Amino acid sequence: AQSVAQPEDQVNVAEGNPLTVKCTYSVSGNPYLFWYVQYPNRGLQFLLKYITGDNLVKGSYGFEAEFNKSQTSFHLKKPSALVSDSALYFCAVRDVGRDDKIIFGKGTRLHILP
Amino acid sequence: DAMVIQNPRYQVTQFGKPVTLSCSQTLNHNVMYWYQQKSSQAPKLLFHYYDKDFNNEADTPDNFQSRRPNTSFCFLDIRSPGLGDAAMYLCATSRDRGRVQGAYEQYFGPGTRLTVT
Repeated sequence: AQSVAQPEDQVNVAEGNPLTVKCTYSVSGNPYLFWYVQYPNRGLQFLLKYITGDNLVKGSYGFEAEFNKSQTSFHLKKPSALVSDSALYFCAVRDVGRDDKIIFGKGTRLHILP
Repeated sequence: DAMVIQNPRYQVTQFGKPVTLSCSQTLNHNVMYWYQQKSSQAPKLLFHYYDKDFNNEADTPDNFQSRRPNTSFCFLDIRSPGLGDAAMYLCATSRDRGRVQGAYEQYFGPGTRLTVT
């Protein structure tokens, strides 16, 4: 069965520093991987995805993520954090060739400190 | 702008009183999803429609029903809300079409926060 893990409940980063939000996954086949962000009292907003091709994926608001097949990871990164990046981040995985279900991680709350 | 709209944004209902949440989309996506989200936890999929085909999750209580009268609209009916059903309910859509099924991201509405008194 497919699963996704976000090992950190919360990440604190000083403004201007690089940030990383971790995600690891488990699928039986090849994965489709997604990152979403959620601001308070809002729905989830798509940031980026890995389907195939280049392992480094660039997305919205300066975020990027690197697909690492050997480590089954898809960590979200940004070179320089902004206070406005403070939000709840969800990693999600879909098992290619399986049903339409997408599995979300439990979320990581990112705090950017001014 | 194309979007996913949920109404109302906040809904208060009484214990046991049926309630309907609505979702509409202007994206013309063929897949629509309903999620339940509690206290900043991961969204929990309740069911989804692939065109007119309804797909219920095995652990979704019978208390939750859904209707999709056309491509644009989808409704979530809670027949007898309990205190444990208080949550944020998220509607989402995706294009999921053709042989790259599953590769498309989901577009979420702003959610409806349901309070049960």
